[in-house]
Amino acid sequence: EAGVAQSPRYKIIEKRQSVAFWCNPISGHATLYWYQQILGQGPKLLIQFQNNGVVDDSQLPKDRFSAERLKGVDSTLKIQPAKLEDSAVYLCASSLDPGGYTEAFFGQGTRLTVV
Amino acid sequence: DAKTTQPNSMESNEEEPVHLPCNHSTISGTDYIHWYRQLPSQGPEYVIHGLTSNVNNRMASLAIAEDRKSSTLILHRATLRDAAVYYCILRAMDSSYKLIFGSGTRLLVRP
Repeated sequence: EAGVAQSPRYKIIEKRQSVAFWCNPISGHATLYWYQQILGQGPKLLIQFQNNGVVDDSQLPKDRFSAERLKGVDSTLKIQPAKLEDSAVYLCASSLDPGGYTEAFFGQGTRLTVV
Repeated sequence: DAKTTQPNSMESNEEEPVHLPCNHSTISGTDYIHWYRQLPSQGPEYVIHGLTSNVNNRMASLAIAEDRKSSTLILHRATLRDAAVYYCILRAMDSSYKLIFGSGTRLLVRP
């Protein structure tokens, strides 16, 4: 079974530039999550989709971050403009549904460095 | 948000059992207890979950206290590959079962 695919694996940009990350979840998974993980900390949930609708985006800095999930499958996360504090690993995960009993599968992540 | 308390770090010897504790004193009856682990430079991976009864799978066992206010993840024979950060997470109905990570326990396995 193919896992969660993310690209790119690494990205270096200058502050104030924009950047986009792509995620392809496991086929048939209705729920998709984006997390931000700063070095030394646990992953922080940014946004959760159920199919192509947003379930929760309370921790997403909406002045600079945006995310979409077209047709309820692939998703992109964008940062515009980037700040130094956005340097982190961005993780995408998917699960069959959002229930408490389901497991989430994570991608390898995209490591973003803002200089 | 995390609702769980774990030690920052623990150490174990290779091939010995490891008991990773987690306190969740505010747990409610519909909350699931999940464990994930994160190996260096990888995304988190699911380990096990439970609701009320103890659970076993190929990776680990989960022992849940009778009052559900604490749980223990048991690795029966630690290997060097088990060195990771282990996260105990409550998937709570009152937060729509969101998967919210805390800071976890860093497990060091000595050869």
